[in-house]
Amino acid sequence: DVKVTQSSRYLVKRTGEKVFLECVQDMDHENMFWYRQDPGLGLRLIYFSYDVKMKEKGDIPEGYSVSREKKERFSLILESASTNQTSMYLCASSPQTGAEEPLHFGNGTRLTVT
Amino acid sequence: RKEVEQDPGPFNVPEGATVAFNCTYSNSASQSFFWYRQDCRKEPKLLMSVYSSGNEDGRFTAQLNRASQYISLLIRDSKLSDSATYLCVVNRRTGRRALTFGSGTRLQVQP
Repeated sequence: DVKVTQSSRYLVKRTGEKVFLECVQDMDHENMFWYRQDPGLGLRLIYFSYDVKMKEKGDIPEGYSVSREKKERFSLILESASTNQTSMYLCASSPQTGAEEPLHFGNGTRLTVT
Repeated sequence: RKEVEQDPGPFNVPEGATVAFNCTYSNSASQSFFWYRQDCRKEPKLLMSVYSSGNEDGRFTAQLNRASQYISLLIRDSKLSDSATYLCVVNRRTGRRALTFGSGTRLQVQP
């Protein structure tokens, strides 16, 4: 079974702090994704990566950056946290085999910025 | 206009009922379609893929209408355990290759 692990289930940070959200997958998947989920807006794609050291912007990249130094790890960075970044953050992975491959999600990090 | 639109519900149905959800998508380049299920405070999980010819998995039937750009999910003989939010998901083969999620339809099956 694919396991996608997010380092924290709940996180509380102050405005202006630099925040790191870590995600690790154990199935050698090429693709990794970061989404945020907000009521009424659904899941929105922040950044994704198809390979090590490769990244692409999603729909809402502003205020975020990412790092993929190793295949199994994809980090989301909030350079200077703001209250409108309070949200549920979901990491996901999938193999490279095609667009039909399902996403495997981690169990999420609920971030509160005060 | 949102790329993927769903009725948020909630759909409140009694056990044993048949319920159907629709989802519309705006990008005609969309090529792959899925339904995911998300339980309260849990991560989304794949329920089923949606194929052009329609497909069935037990009590669940998914259909695709490319001409009208919508997909549907039919649940027969609803169970209490079917209570969840159902997310419509599409993928494009051109441009950005990543899944786009609808905001979900909430189903509450009542005893």
